[in-house]
Amino acid sequence: AQSVTQLGSHVSVSEGALVLLRCNYSSSVPPYLFWYVQYPNKGLQLLLKYTSAATLVKGINGFEAEFKKSETSFHLTKPSAHMSDAAEYFCAVSFFGGYQKVTFGTGTKLQVIP
Amino acid sequence: EAGVTQFPSHSVIEKGQTVTLRCDPISGHDNLYWYRRVMGKEIKFLLHFVKESKQDESGMPNNRFLAERTGGTYSTLKVQPAELEDSGVYFCASSQSKGLNTEAFFGQGTRLTVV
Repeated sequence: AQSVTQLGSHVSVSEGALVLLRCNYSSSVPPYLFWYVQYPNKGLQLLLKYTSAATLVKGINGFEAEFKKSETSFHLTKPSAHMSDAAEYFCAVSFFGGYQKVTFGTGTKLQVIP
Repeated sequence: EAGVTQFPSHSVIEKGQTVTLRCDPISGHDNLYWYRRVMGKEIKFLLHFVKESKQDESGMPNNRFLAERTGGTYSTLKVQPAELEDSGVYFCASSQSKGLNTEAFFGQGTRLTVV
């Protein structure tokens, strides 16, 4: 069985501040981990993915995430928030095969305050 | 290149009625997935097609839901009869082939409201 827990359904940061969105996973086998973003009225877009290569993964729009096995975490960070980062972010887990039967977290809405 | 498109974007129906959602995957993508997000909850897997065959339908909630993908192109998801708890956003995704390097592309979803 696999699952992800996203801490905080809503996160607010000031423009230019650090963005930190938390995700912890549970998986009985080595996981593949993803972060997706959904902008208003848009579909889900893949931000980045971890597939057992480098533990620090860089994604689009300046986001990155670090896989920490000892902490079972895959937190998403960005050094400086931009107004355009306001969206809902989903952490997700799968296992071998990558994209089949992805299990998503409940999502975190990021608000960026000017 | 066109992305995954879903129709309609919104649907409001009464309890007991029938609704059909449609998903057009990216051309050439053999894999098609349906997911659902009930308000405030996580996005949950419903089923997976490989071409016209159902590879995995373990996430389908009950037999009021019927998914088809005739000819291996577009897919429909029919809910008959709809119940209040069926309200939510239904996402479709497609990918080119199995494997960890094949990204699944998502549509913008159909928001279904059952009243």
